[in-house]
Amino acid sequence: GQNIDQPTEMTATEGAIVQINCTYQTSGFNGLFWYQQHAGEAPTFLSYNVLDGLEEKGRFSSFLSRSKGYSYLLLKELQMKDSASYLCAVLDSNYQLIWGAGTKLIIKP
Amino acid sequence: ETGVTQTPRHLVMGMTNKKSLKCEQHLGHNAMYWYKQSAKKPLELMFVYNFKEQTENNSVPSRFSPECPNSSHLFLHLHTLQPEDSALYLCASSLQREVHEQYFGPGTRLTVT
Repeated sequence: GQNIDQPTEMTATEGAIVQINCTYQTSGFNGLFWYQQHAGEAPTFLSYNVLDGLEEKGRFSSFLSRSKGYSYLLLKELQMKDSASYLCAVLDSNYQLIWGAGTKLIIKP
Repeated sequence: ETGVTQTPRHLVMGMTNKKSLKCEQHLGHNAMYWYKQSAKKPLELMFVYNFKEQTENNSVPSRFSPECPNSSHLFLHLHTLQPEDSALYLCASSLQREVHEQYFGPGTRLTVT
């Protein structure tokens, strides 16, 4: 079967750095997405990786290793507004998105 | 209006009721999706429409019936639902079926009593 694993919940301190991991086993791979979802709101797109390596976008970076079936989202200089759930999703060989259950990130002052 | 809108935002219905959820996108996209989001579970893809044609129906019970009259509008008709159908129902759109940067609506919080 297809599976996406990510931690259920993480806690970090304002101003610090946090890394949210995602591992996947899917039938084929056509890219990995990260979405952010604030409580009671819609998910919003953060990043897309299809090649190995690190993609940086401001305070957020996303890393992919296809051989290891692994990705992480790195958030720097954490702000209170970064408190949200972070969803990892993989596009399989049929171009269907397989979603993880999300990681709830709690930022403390 | 911009983006993807959904109505109603909240819905409480009995198991014998019939109701419909509405989604509208103003992005010029050609693919639209219905998802079910339950607490602490992955997003469940229910239906996909690409250029108004349904391309996927992921084993969804027949008490959920989608309708896509044009590429901007998507409906989810509900009838004789069960309490376990209570969840957040999200609509999303993307430029094309294979382009998966999806734009989500705010969702409809459905409670079945």
